Amino acid sequence: DTEVTQTPKHLVMGMTNKKSLKCEQHMGHRAMYWYKQKAKKPPELMFVYSYEKLSINESVPSRFSPECPNSSLLNLHLHALQPEDSALYLCASSHPTGTSGNTIYFGEGSWLTVV
Amino acid sequence: AQSVAQPEDQVNVAEGNPLTVKCTYSVSGNPYLFWYVQYPNRGLQFLLKYITGDNLVKGSYGFEAEFNKSQTSFHLKKPSALVSDSALYFCSVRDIGSNYQLIWGAGTKLIIKP
Repeated sequence: DTEVTQTPKHLVMGMTNKKSLKCEQHMGHRAMYWYKQKAKKPPELMFVYSYEKLSINESVPSRFSPECPNSSLLNLHLHALQPEDSALYLCASSHPTGTSGNTIYFGEGSWLTVV
Repeated sequence: AQSVAQPEDQVNVAEGNPLTVKCTYSVSGNPYLFWYVQYPNRGLQFLLKYITGDNLVKGSYGFEAEFNKSQTSFHLKKPSALVSDSALYFCSVRDIGSNYQLIWGAGTKLIIKP
């Protein structure tokens, strides 16, 4: 069982709506990630927070806005999304320092449908 | 450029037979290699990784992987397949110089037939 918890599991939203995806981890990790995954494709990195500071933004459109309130929580705020943004959104966490062999642990994901 | 290749889109194996899911990589320096599994409508689960040391790495659910530096491969194996092993498997390698970014293979769908 994953120790990265994501809510909601499913979300349907209109193109004018504002919604948020939430993620929580209790592994003491100080790096947290958002990935986007299309069906049967590998995940694509969106954002990385390290010690609650945004470390990586992979040129993600501004309609996606991440937030890291504390070391255990990560949010992804969604506004004015497009139908092509429909995907599985995965949260993940890892130790941020030490060797590059740190394992990234994923949550079960939030299925987002934009209508 | 760094890359990961999973040459098979799909692998079909009869239950009880050994299985192999192939992965080759291209990186400069020492690779940090990972295997993840994704069951239908689920998130990604970590299976195993190679960082250094013994070339045969054991992981979750009876899976193991063999690191072969000369062939730049990291094939995933299991001696006896179960129907419940049917899933999508991803190989990945750490992007050199990054603690965060992984380079992913395209994924291999494993189908175990009873």
